[in-house]
Amino acid sequence: LAKTTQPISMDSYEGQEVNITCSHNNIATNDYITWYQQFPSQGPRFIIQGYKTKVTNEVASLFIPADRKSSTLSLPRVSLSDTAVYYCLVGPLGGANNLFFGTGTRLTVIP
Amino acid sequence: EAGVTQFPSHSVIEKGQTVTLRCDPISGHDNLYWYRRVMGKEIKFLLHFVKESKQDESGMPNNRFLAERTGGTYSTLKVQPAELEDSGVYFCASSQALRLAGRDSSYNEQFFGPGTRLTVL
Repeated sequence: LAKTTQPISMDSYEGQEVNITCSHNNIATNDYITWYQQFPSQGPRFIIQGYKTKVTNEVASLFIPADRKSSTLSLPRVSLSDTAVYYCLVGPLGGANNLFFGTGTRLTVIP
Repeated sequence: EAGVTQFPSHSVIEKGQTVTLRCDPISGHDNLYWYRRVMGKEIKFLLHFVKESKQDESGMPNNRFLAERTGGTYSTLKVQPAELEDSGVYFCASSQALRLAGRDSSYNEQFFGPGTRLTVL
């Protein structure tokens, strides 16, 4: 079971780029890296998923080095509404039993 | 399109009582998952349905918990009898059947409901 390690909390000012790094040293060959966002009193929401190199969508970018032992979620120009907990998950597709949420990173965006 | 819905949003019961939580997944989603977060802990997987069949129930804490998915549509999670340590937020999620479109572009997004906050007194 690939466990993830990420910072407990981060603060950022509005308009800045935020990078949250996640370590997953024991990632398996068939594991994907997925990031979820969770606001208070809501369920987690999918942000981005990748296997290797770089993935970009309208919300974020995900950078994965060649050894895949870590990954970095990049949020461009954050706003106050990006204040949330961000979870890094590692596991095979369709295998919910291998989705380990961990503690997540609580991002606070400051005006 | 409606998202994943859960009912009730909150439930307060006494120890020893029975509670049934309901989850309505997104229409057409074969996969349905239950998770929970107990106070101060991380979100933990409970079980996974593929249509009406239990694919994996390794996360179910004990036999006081019973999950069903009638006809592969909505799902219920019954706790009987409830104990104090069952308090927490129970999340349901659903996803489409796995689609593969090349290793770097494959995804299997899980859509989460808002959760049911269960308080056992």
